[in-house]
Amino acid sequence: DVKVTQSSRYLVKRTGEKVFLECVQDMDHENMFWYRQDPGLGLRLIYFSYDVKMKEKGDIPEGYSVSREKKERFSLILESASTNQTSMYLCASSSLAGDYNEQFFGPGTRLTVL
Amino acid sequence: QKEVEQNSGPLSVPEGAIASLNCTYSDRVSQSFFWYRQYSGKSPELIMSIYSNGDKEDGRFTAQLNKASQYVSLLIRDSQPSDSATYLCAVSSLFNTDKLIFGTGTRLQVFP
Repeated sequence: DVKVTQSSRYLVKRTGEKVFLECVQDMDHENMFWYRQDPGLGLRLIYFSYDVKMKEKGDIPEGYSVSREKKERFSLILESASTNQTSMYLCASSSLAGDYNEQFFGPGTRLTVL
Repeated sequence: QKEVEQNSGPLSVPEGAIASLNCTYSDRVSQSFFWYRQYSGKSPELIMSIYSNGDKEDGRFTAQLNKASQYVSLLIRDSQPSDSATYLCAVSSLFNTDKLIFGTGTRLQVFP
């Protein structure tokens, strides 16, 4: 089974802090994604990566950066956290192999910025 | 127009009934279609994938795809209270198959 893990389930940070969210997958997937999910807005893509050191902006990249130094690990960085970044953050991965591109999600990190 | 649209619900059905969840999409060249189940406070879990027109069955779940009408549906037979969750529809494009576009989900409530 695909396993995607995230470093924290719950996180509370203060405005202006630098925040690191980490995601690890164990299925050798090429693609990794970071989303945030807010009530009424659904899942919105922040960044994704299709290979080590490669990244592409999603729909809402402002205020975020990412790092992918190893294939299995994809980090989301909030350089200076703000209250409007309080949200559920979801990491996902998918494979380029075969015809299908199902994404598999980690358990999520609920971030609160005070 | 939203790219992937779902009725937010809640859709309430009695235990044992068939729940029918619908999703429409705007990109005519969409290629792959997915249904995710998300329990409150949890992350989305993939339950069905469909790529060709017609029906695909997996246990109590049936996904139906009609590309000409640009809709995809999920039927849940013999609904159980444990099926109560939000169901997300997701679609990928022929030209960007790596990314999925998600609907905002339909909340299903199955009452005993």
